[in-house]
Amino acid sequence: QSALTQPASVSGSPGQSITISCTGTSSDVGGSNYVSWYQQHPGKAPKLMIYDVSKRPSGVSYRFSGSKSGNTASLTISGLQAEDEADYYCSSYTSARTWVFGGGTKLTVL
Amino acid sequence: EVQLVESGGGLVQPGGSLRLSCAASGFTFATYAMSWVRQAPGKGLEWVATIIYSGGVTYSADSVKGRFTVSRDNSKNTLYLQMNSLRAEDTAIYYCAKAWQQLVNGFDPWGQGTLVTVSS
Repeated sequence: QSALTQPASVSGSPGQSITISCTGTSSDVGGSNYVSWYQQHPGKAPKLMIYDVSKRPSGVSYRFSGSKSGNTASLTISGLQAEDEADYYCSSYTSARTWVFGGGTKLTVL
Repeated sequence: EVQLVESGGGLVQPGGSLRLSCAASGFTFATYAMSWVRQAPGKGLEWVATIIYSGGVTYSADSVKGRFTVSRDNSKNTLYLQMNSLRAEDTAIYYCAKAWQQLVNGFDPWGQGTLVTVSS
């Protein structure tokens, strides 16, 4: 099972919006309603930010949103804040009854 | 408050074995699937294994199949990962994570992780 493809890095200024893409195949992202996104600050455990493609757990800011089109899922962060600077990972349940993560994207807030 | 606390990591020689534990509290452990996810130093996340609430079904990544076994003791609220035939590439922080709501829709929360180093 190959890792999902994410850009290595993205950046934006405070107040701007950014989008992180996550590309897989019809066996994972494209064929799954179970795409999730995680935020990981340095030295910390990951935190769930989006599940079921576009749902937000309670306590996660409305500035985080998720979507999917075909084999590509996306995480959008609006109104960037300094505290959003972190690594972001997508994940998908697959048709083989396994889970796969993306390679991770480092978000820099300029 | 949900808490997951991993233990059992350490330095082990190639070919050796190690058993990780994850003590859970703050939720009804016996009703949730649990997973192990690892992260090699400076690298991304890699799913390792998942076990359903009852322990009756397990799933594992091809990279560890036949070497790692996930299990649980619902009477002790504890998740385990038995790791055999360890290789250098198994060096990573190992996190345990609770299934978010269902078996398939995400992992949350996560423990703080335990470091496994495979080296001679």
